[in-house]
Amino acid sequence: EAQVTQNPRYLITVTGKKLTVTCSQNMNHEYMSWYRQDPGLGLRQIYYSMNVEVTDKGDVPEGYKVSRKEKRNFPLILESPSPNQTSLYFCASRPGPGGYEQYFGPGTRLTVT
Amino acid sequence: SQQGEEDPQALSIQEGENATMNCSYKTSINNLQWYRQNSGRGLVHLILIRSNEREKHSGRLRVTLDTSKKSSSLLITASRAADTASYFCATDPTGANNLFFGTGTRLTVIP
Repeated sequence: EAQVTQNPRYLITVTGKKLTVTCSQNMNHEYMSWYRQDPGLGLRQIYYSMNVEVTDKGDVPEGYKVSRKEKRNFPLILESPSPNQTSLYFCASRPGPGGYEQYFGPGTRLTVT
Repeated sequence: SQQGEEDPQALSIQEGENATMNCSYKTSINNLQWYRQNSGRGLVHLILIRSNEREKHSGRLRVTLDTSKKSSSLLITASRAADTASYFCATDPTGANNLFFGTGTRLTVIP
């Protein structure tokens, strides 16, 4: 089944403890993105990648890192999480140039205390 | 911010009625997309309309685009209880990988 998977789905952590949210897609898509969703603010793009080893900042990149070492994986790294990063996170992928439809993962609900 | 805005923020209708949601945006676009989200789950792509198109249909969905007014509308005809969800418009300014989402319209369809 074509899908985007994220792990973990739920995470409660403490301020400053480094964490990684994994994202993987099995559709051979070139483009991948991370979004965060907050009440009243909709979805905002954190980082995106248009190919292996090619990443770029989205709207709200502060406090986050990403890497794209393989086409299928695009992990999101929070080096020192803070409470304002408590949010619902979505990974998404799309085919590439000319293929605009985004396929979303199920989401990761992160709470930072 | 390049985010779009949906209007209304919430809409409640009876099953069988039509639902119309509007989206306004600020910059020029390559395409505009509509997505649906069921309660905290991942978004699902519904329909895409390119900047040189004015109207598009897909099943019970009809999307219009007015680039001079920087606005789009999504019409769901003959709504069903299963259409209850949040609907988001997303603008793609360049066709690259930046997508800017609106804040969504929460649709409730009453059986």
